[in-house]
Amino acid sequence: GAGVSQSPSNKVTEKGKDVELRCDPISGHTALYWYRQSLGQGLEFLIYFQGNSAPDKSGLPSDRFSAERTGGSVSTLTIQRTQQEDSAVYLCASSLFAGRNSPLHFGNGTRLTVT
Amino acid sequence: GQNIDQPTEMTATEGAIVQINCTYQTSGFNGLFWYQQHAGEAPTFLSYNVLDGLEEKGRFSSFLSRSKGYSYLLLKELQMKDSASYLCAVRATNAGNNRKLIWGLGTSLAVNP
Repeated sequence: GAGVSQSPSNKVTEKGKDVELRCDPISGHTALYWYRQSLGQGLEFLIYFQGNSAPDKSGLPSDRFSAERTGGSVSTLTIQRTQQEDSAVYLCASSLFAGRNSPLHFGNGTRLTVT
Repeated sequence: GQNIDQPTEMTATEGAIVQINCTYQTSGFNGLFWYQQHAGEAPTFLSYNVLDGLEEKGRFSSFLSRSKGYSYLLLKELQMKDSASYLCAVRATNAGNNRKLIWGLGTSLAVNP
């Protein structure tokens, strides 16, 4: 597809379960970002990939969160032992490169609800 | 600390002009972005400013003053479809790396007929 694709679009899970969120960036985009957006909150940076490497993991809220990227393309964000405070929209974005004037292209997000 | 301020909500009339302001206090500056986000959808890129002045792109223009830590997004000939949240984001040079954006909370614009 032409844009950033995320799956699933919606996920409802029980507290304590693990979830895996997937992001398929725009072909050829080297940089990939994960953000979290909660109601009334700004976009919260989670992690950034350049190729398959994650130079900046500073935004991951806890060690329950992890992410990987393979083949310089698809990325997965895994949340282990989900908690109710993890409920949010998880947005993935990619950019052609990580340079200062390269805009982010966002996917439609995964709405995660932890019950 | 790093901070971005935008008005929470604005209302305007179809056909009118509206200006959405953004002020920032960051440890460095390496560009400012404006994004549009319709409810339930992904943010989409509108504009990028790194030098002082006005950038015009159709009905939308964006202005930057680095000395004042200030930007605005100007929307002309408003249409109902412009009802959305408008996000201001700054790339701060000292934000851990040069690639992490600092985001405002967004301005929710309602365009009325």
